[in-house]
Amino acid sequence: KNQVEQSPQSLIILEGKNCTLQCNYTVSPFSNLRWYKQDTGRGPVSLTIMTFSENTKSNGRYTATLDADTKQSSLHITASQLSDSASYICVVSANNYQLIWGAGTKLIIKP
Amino acid sequence: NAGVTQTPKFRILKIGQSMTLQCTQDMNHNYMYWYRQDPGMGLKLIYYSVGAGITDKGEVPNGYNVSRSTTEDFPLRLELAAPSQTSVYFCASSSGTSGYNEQFFGPGTRLTVL
Repeated sequence: KNQVEQSPQSLIILEGKNCTLQCNYTVSPFSNLRWYKQDTGRGPVSLTIMTFSENTKSNGRYTATLDADTKQSSLHITASQLSDSASYICVVSANNYQLIWGAGTKLIIKP
Repeated sequence: NAGVTQTPKFRILKIGQSMTLQCTQDMNHNYMYWYRQDPGMGLKLIYYSVGAGITDKGEVPNGYNVSRSTTEDFPLRLELAAPSQTSVYFCASSSGTSGYNEQFFGPGTRLTVL
C-alpha cells in the first residue's frame, strides 16, 4: 500500500534555531516528492519538488533532501523565523499522477 | 490574479441539510480538485475534473457530488449532511495532472455538521 509517514507530528523550537522534518514513503513507482507549507487557516503552498535524480534542493532558508534508495526525504529549516510556524506536508507522486499526502508536521516557532 | 477562491469560509449544518461549496479559479487551469482535511490526517481527494463537463471520483466520493460547467467553477455539493462530513474542504487547480504540476489551493471551507 502506498503510504507517506511524517515525523515528528509536532515540533516546538526557539526563533533562530534550525530544525529538520522527516518524510518516509513507501510509494511505487515513485515519480517525485513535493513539500508544501500550510499556514493556519490557509491552503497548502508548494515549497519545492524533488525528482528521482535530485539529492538536494534549496529554496531560501529551506533545504530539501531526497534519498531514493532509503525512500526518505527531509526538510531542513535554517535560522527559523516566527513566520515559519506552519504545518509542513510531504506529498509523493506515484505513476506521475496519483498523489499520496502525508499528515504533516506542525512546527511552532517561539520567540 | 485572485488564484483559487472558495466560499463560504465557515459553515455549520444540521444533520440532513444540504449545501454547495463554491470554488472559482482565474488561472485558466483545466484541472480542478476537491480535498477534505481531517485533523491529523493527510488530504483526501474527493472528486477531480480534467476539464469542463468532465469529472471523476477520487478516494472518498461518497456523500458528495460535483459539476463542472465552466473552466473557472467547480462546486461541491453535499447532500444529506452527516457528522462524518465535518472537515476542512480545500479546492485546488493545476495546469496539468502530472505530479510535476503544482496544485494551487484555495483558503478552505471549515464545515461542521451537528
